[in-house]
Amino acid sequence: NAGVTQTPKFRVLKTGQSMTLLCAQDMNHEYMYWYRQDPGMGLRLIHYSVGEGTTAKGEVPDGYNVSRLKKQNFLLGLESAAPSQTSVYFCASSPKAAGWTEAFFGQGTRLTVV
Amino acid sequence: LAKTTQPISMDSYEGQEVNITCSHNNIATNDYITWYQQFPSQGPRFIIQGYKTKVTNEVASLFIPADRKSSTLSLPRVSLSDTAVYYCLVVGTGNNRKLIWGLGTSLAVNP
Repeated sequence: NAGVTQTPKFRVLKTGQSMTLLCAQDMNHEYMYWYRQDPGMGLRLIHYSVGEGTTAKGEVPDGYNVSRLKKQNFLLGLESAAPSQTSVYFCASSPKAAGWTEAFFGQGTRLTVV
Repeated sequence: LAKTTQPISMDSYEGQEVNITCSHNNIATNDYITWYQQFPSQGPRFIIQGYKTKVTNEVASLFIPADRKSSTLSLPRVSLSDTAVYYCLVVGTGNNRKLIWGLGTSLAVNP
């Protein structure tokens, strides 16, 4: 049972380049999230999804797009990378069960934009 | 979504009990209180969740008073490996399960 897997783990981009971060979960969870974490800060929600085919904006959605075509995958896209998007990105998933609040996190993707 | 407030940092020694208190004055009726632990270069890991009174698992205890406006995470007999950042979150259990994170409490356990 792999849990939540993020690909890639590290990436360096030049300003203006595009890329897609992949998040895959094998726990059949309905909810999936993308966060970014900057030094000395807590996690900030970029986008999230409450089910296959649905997405919604979080706290800091500008400059990012997402898609959830399959229940197990949640993709985060950067169309034109900027240095301000240098960060560690975490994906998470959680089940929909009532009263269940545990979210499972991936190991993170460290992105540097130069 | 209820905002949480917790100390920025705490220091302790091996073998001591550590209590981290979090305030969440605007908690809603359907909200749960959840705590996560994060080590450097890793994603957060769920520790414990509770609604009211006391919850205990193999890792920690969570104390929640009757008014639910605060909660205390208790870590018994900490070790060096408990050095981490601890986050308190208030999470709704309806269709909106967004997790809003504060700065957390950076716990340093000294030998």
